[in-house]
Amino acid sequence: GENVEQHPSTLSVQEGDSAVIKCTYSDSASNYFPWYKQELGKRPQLIIDIRSNVGEKKDQRIAVTLNKTAKHFSLHITETQPEDSAVYFCAARNDYKLSFGAGTTVTVRA
Amino acid sequence: DTGVSQNPRHKITKRGQNVTFRCDPISEHNRLYWYRQTLGQGPEFLTYFQNEAQLEKSRLLSDRFSAERPKGSFSTLEIQRTEQGDSAMYLCASSPSGTREQFFGPGTRLTVL
Repeated sequence: GENVEQHPSTLSVQEGDSAVIKCTYSDSASNYFPWYKQELGKRPQLIIDIRSNVGEKKDQRIAVTLNKTAKHFSLHITETQPEDSAVYFCAARNDYKLSFGAGTTVTVRA
Repeated sequence: DTGVSQNPRHKITKRGQNVTFRCDPISEHNRLYWYRQTLGQGPEFLTYFQNEAQLEKSRLLSDRFSAERPKGSFSTLEIQRTEQGDSAMYLCASSPSGTREQFFGPGTRLTVL
């Protein structure tokens, strides 16, 4: 089955700085890579996704890049704000189901 | 609220008891998924329905677990003879056909004493 690894497990950044989270996946058949943000006690919320035929996608302050050859993808958050503090999960989709990374706890220091 | 809803939000039970959770997907979403999330981990896939058909079950879903989606709308997840290791957040997600995005519910937090 698919195995997704996510790094780092915790990330502390100064407000206004950038944050980068990296994930690798094992199954070359995976074709869809979403990122979810989960605040404490709340549901995971989809913030951005990328399909396997695209190398990069951007939405305002967040962007995702995908390297299919190396089987890794990354989330970039620029100009971080306190409300960006949360746990972020990457995932890879194969045969309908999502396989998630273990999560990155992002703390934005004011 | 037109999102995915789950009930109950919290359930505390004693070891050996049976519990049942309900998920109401977003209207007209024909795909429904159950995941389990333990503290400090990402969600793990349990099972998947397309309409009323259960198409895939994870090895995590032992014979004590059963899920149904009788009319292709809401779904239930039952755990029989609960064990302390079943304590987790049980998340439901849904998606419409033809798309890959999955939208999650708020989850049911199960505590087995």
